[in-house]
Amino acid sequence: DQQVKQNSPSLSVQEGRISILNCDYTNSMFDYFLWYKKYPAEGPTFLISISSIKDKNEDGRFTVFLNKSAKHLSLHIVPSQPGDSAVYFCAASSGGGADGLTFGKGTHLIIQP
Amino acid sequence: ETGVTQTPRHLVMGMTNKKSLKCEQHLGHNAMYWYKQSAKKPLELMFVYSLEERVENNSVPSRFSPECPNSSHLFLHLHTLQPEDSALYLCASSQADRDSYEQYFGPGTRLTVT
Repeated sequence: DQQVKQNSPSLSVQEGRISILNCDYTNSMFDYFLWYKKYPAEGPTFLISISSIKDKNEDGRFTVFLNKSAKHLSLHIVPSQPGDSAVYFCAASSGGGADGLTFGKGTHLIIQP
Repeated sequence: ETGVTQTPRHLVMGMTNKKSLKCEQHLGHNAMYWYKQSAKKPLELMFVYSLEERVENNSVPSRFSPECPNSSHLFLHLHTLQPEDSALYLCASSQADRDSYEQYFGPGTRLTVT
């Protein structure tokens, strides 16, 4: 049973608009959440993260929102740029330290010119 | 070299072969990980090493055998694999402090078992 779910396999957004990627989780023990970006033939690259004690974290064009009661987080990218076209993975951790991450299946974001 | 490197990038092997995947991290981290990504499935944690000791083995078949000789190097030894083991194998590293969660990934080895 998947503990981290990204229900949209793909998302198409026009350049300059806002991209919103969603992620749901089921494990209440998760206390830290991360977003990774992956281009073809490359490994995932860390993008932004959020601790469960916060509900928002912002870094430039990227903002992550966490709704703990709904067990839902989202990644907002604004404005969207062509270089943002990639697969985005949501990941969660319940321990920190040398704890493995639990990943979603990913959402393929396509930015249309 | 910077970041996390993996060799080879692509590997084709028969079911009776023995091969090894290599990972090296240049970030000064003290924890290393092997993940597997199969088609249409999320990344799955296989092994975790912290301070060169294995701390987690996620019920991985014994035909996969990890080795961590020091904090910068990680190997995955493969023998008598099955076609369903064909996947992208990713190595990652992190600083295993209590407040550090980010893991940094290599480019992966695309493995095909014939």
